Amino acid sequence: GIQVEQSPPDLILQEGANSTLRCNFSDSVNNLQWFHQNPWGQLINLFYIPSGTKQNGRLSATTVATERYSLLYISSSQTTDSGVYFCAVPQGGSEKLVFGKGMKLTVNP
Amino acid sequence: DAGVIQSPRHEVTEMGQEVTLRCKPISGHNSLFWYRQTMMRGLELLIYFNNNVPIDDSGMPEDRFSAKMPNASFSTLKIQPSEPRDSAVYFCAGGKGGNTEAFFGQGTRLTVV
Repeated sequence: GIQVEQSPPDLILQEGANSTLRCNFSDSVNNLQWFHQNPWGQLINLFYIPSGTKQNGRLSATTVATERYSLLYISSSQTTDSGVYFCAVPQGGSEKLVFGKGMKLTVNP
Repeated sequence: DAGVIQSPRHEVTEMGQEVTLRCKPISGHNSLFWYRQTMMRGLELLIYFNNNVPIDDSGMPEDRFSAKMPNASFSTLKIQPSEPRDSAVYFCAGGKGGNTEAFFGQGTRLTVV
C-alpha cells in the first residue's frame, strides 16, 4: 500500500519562528489533507490540497503531486500551534485515508 | 452544522464487557469511516461505509469488532468482548465520497481495564 512519511518527527520552536513540515508519499494521489491534532486530541482540518498552493492566515500548504510531496508552512508560530500535524492521502483508488506518523510541534512562549 | 458527533467521549470498561461506540455523521455526507489511534500504530482505518454499505473492513482487527450503519445518520462500532489491548481513541469521520475532504469527530477515548 501507499507509504506516507513526515519530517521532521519533532520540532521545538520559540514563539514567532517559522517552520516547514514535509510529507512524502510513495504513489500518485488525487487528494491530500493536512490535519492538526491539538493537545485535547481533536483532529482539525487545515487543508484539502490535491495540488497547488493554498493559504489560510499564517498557514499555507503546497502539494507537488508529480514529485509526490507536500509542504506545510507555519509562519509567526504561536503557542496554540502546538500539537501534532498529520498528512493523509488515499490508498489506491479507494477513499481510505492513510496517515503519516505525524510531526509533534511544540511552540514555547 | 454541528459536525461529526461521537458518543461517549470517554468510556472505561472492564475486560470482557461489550462496548458500543456511536457516531452521527454530517448530514449529506455519504461516506463514513471508523479510525483507531494508538501510540504504537498511529491512526489506522478500521472500516468505511459508502451510502450505508460497508466497502472495506480489512482493518477490523478481529471478529470481536463489528460495525453497522443502519441509516445515513447513524453508525455504531461494537467490541465484544473487550480486551485491554483495545484501549485507544476511536474516531469517526465522514465525507461526501469520491476522495473529497474528510471531517473527524472528537473521538471516543476507550480504556479497558
